[in-house]
Amino acid sequence: NAGVMQNPRHLVRRRGQEARLRCSPMKGHSHVYWYRQLPEEGLKFMVYLQKENIIDESGMPKERFSAEFPKEGPSILRIQQVVRGDSAAYFCASSPRSSTNEKLFFGSGTQLSVL
Amino acid sequence: AQSVTQPDIHITVSEGASLELRCNYSYGATPYLFWYVQSPGQGLQLLLKYFSGDTLVQGIKGFEAEFKRSQSSFNLRKPSVHWSDAAEYFCAVATSSGNTPLVFGKGTRLSVIA
Repeated sequence: NAGVMQNPRHLVRRRGQEARLRCSPMKGHSHVYWYRQLPEEGLKFMVYLQKENIIDESGMPKERFSAEFPKEGPSILRIQQVVRGDSAAYFCASSPRSSTNEKLFFGSGTQLSVL
Repeated sequence: AQSVTQPDIHITVSEGASLELRCNYSYGATPYLFWYVQSPGQGLQLLLKYFSGDTLVQGIKGFEAEFKRSQSSFNLRKPSVHWSDAAEYFCAVATSSGNTPLVFGKGTRLSVIA
């Protein structure tokens, strides 16, 4: 049973480009969370999705950031027109249908570097 | 809103020595508390959690933590540290056991010396 898979592991973008980060949850998991980790900081919640629905996006910046979790395929975190301040590690976590915090599993993250 | 404070940014201990990592939380009701470990280049792994019941909880890798409501603390302990314990440790709080987002502290980096 593969864990939470995130790709790419490292992503380099120039200012103004788009970044697309992918997260495949564990098998049987229908809940996905995205967190961002800035240097020397803890993880900050961004968005919580279930299949085809955004449940809580209270942590998402109002502009340039979007997330989706389609019926088929991975969850995507999309950052348009990236800026240097977007450089961070982005972690995805998933939980099963029974959906409790004690069954939350994290991926290894995507390190985004904006030049 | 809830918050988590980890007062120690970096701690160095000798292999075989005991360890205590501090965590204080701010939340008005009963918190749900977690400790995660992050090895370099890896995701977070759950060490242990407190939801209710016995305030001393046992986790994986020989770790334990004690919930003290009067001190709003949830400190992580290990009696004898191994070199492989060197990592970043995060304390987190949630307002329920369900699908509420975790609020993380800034982490404590643990270095282990011979």
